[in-house]
Amino acid sequence: QVQLVQSGVEVKKPGASVKVSCKASGYTFISDGITWVRQAPGQGLEWMGWISGYNGDTNYAQKFQGRLIMTTDTSTTTAYLELGSLTSDDTAVYYCARAPFSSGAYYDYWGQGTLVTVSS
Amino acid sequence: QSVLTQPPSASGTPGQMVNISCSGSSSNIGSNTVNWYQQLPGTAPKLLIYSNYHRPSGVPDRFSGSKSGTSASLAISGLQSEDEADYYCAAWDDSLNGHVVFGGGTKVTVL
Repeated sequence: QVQLVQSGVEVKKPGASVKVSCKASGYTFISDGITWVRQAPGQGLEWMGWISGYNGDTNYAQKFQGRLIMTTDTSTTTAYLELGSLTSDDTAVYYCARAPFSSGAYYDYWGQGTLVTVSS
Repeated sequence: QSVLTQPPSASGTPGQMVNISCSGSSSNIGSNTVNWYQQLPGTAPKLLIYSNYHRPSGVPDRFSGSKSGTSASLAISGLQSEDEADYYCAAWDDSLNGHVVFGGGTKVTVL
């Protein structure tokens, strides 16, 4: 069965960077992409971007341009999200989800979420 | 301020029908399909409706979706206590090189 398992809780100081991993299993990793969505405490869902599992092509939300990097490691079927220049506004649960299409909002399997807290 | 507009809350008694609206624009709902996600407390979102009205395997037929012009809606018929959750609409937006937009979410309460 398809599973996405994310790395654990992170606590970072303002200005630092965080790297969250998403280990995929149960499907052909290079056939689909991975999207990242975050959710601040008590808030709604926010799309951050998409990465192809096939060739690493990316599409980032404009608001994160310049401080967001998404990567994949096909040998370990793992996707990574790295967000830099953290502020308290980046405190959120970060989710990865399988994204079979580069466009559209079809996400059929989700990771369990990774809480990132930014605090001095 | 979300690009897609949803009512913040909706409620009903068990067995009733609840409708949730999702309003967008020509660059998102007007030209692309809509998906709906259900998020139970403390859990990851779950795909509930895709391509406007299709249900993934395992989703009860009490849930139905529709789209007209730049708006979409989710209907929950025969409301059950386990339907108490947050519901989000989502769509591709053709502006800014293309990106996904979500609604702000609707909290459904079963009275």
